[in-house]
Amino acid sequence: QSALTQPPSASGSPGQSVTISCTGTSSDVGGYNYVSWYQQHPGKAPKRMIYEVSKRPSGVPDRFSGSKSGNTASLTVSGLQAEDEADYYCNSYAGSNNYVVFGGGTKLTVL
Amino acid sequence: QVQLVESGGDLVKAGGSLRLSCAASGFTFSDSYMSWIRQAPGKGLEWVSYISGSGSTIYYADSVKGRFTISRDNAKNSLYLQMNSLRAEDTAVYYCARGKSSFDYWGQGILVTVSS
Repeated sequence: QSALTQPPSASGSPGQSVTISCTGTSSDVGGYNYVSWYQQHPGKAPKRMIYEVSKRPSGVPDRFSGSKSGNTASLTVSGLQAEDEADYYCNSYAGSNNYVVFGGGTKLTVL
Repeated sequence: QVQLVESGGDLVKAGGSLRLSCAASGFTFSDSYMSWIRQAPGKGLEWVSYISGSGSTIYYADSVKGRFTISRDNAKNSLYLQMNSLRAEDTAVYYCARGKSSFDYWGQGILVTVSS
């Protein structure tokens, strides 16, 4: 079970857009449309922001969007706001052994 | 509203055992896959295990296989994680979460510290 690869950090100014990548393999990200993204503020539990690659749960602002191309999934945050500053994690189903894998996390800084 | 509340975290010596519990409310527990996910201090999230609603399907991460056992009591709306042969690297905040590979509700987390 190898972790998915995310950049350790990303940043943008208020109002800008930022995209965070999540790279796996054909056994996880590339093989299934079961990629999710989570936002975690310090000391808090993660909150799901995107599921099944691009679906947004009720209550999540439409500034958050997800996509996938091949073995890489992406989370885009548009119109950055101060409260978007947090750690972001991707995860995917890795069906060959029914495992679940997470990315290492990306710290998003709003400048 | 959905609530997941973990309990049972503690400081334990390496080689020891601990049982975590997660009390669920606000949804049909017996219809839901449930999972344990952990986060070592300052580190990322790591999936530990999941169990189907009936308890008939169970999977573990390689890092805990043979040492940890997930179980549930649908009559009590409760999820459990029995942790044996604990190691220093098991030190983490443990979250219970609803779902199998995508997790829509999380508990607040409970700290398990394993001293070597």
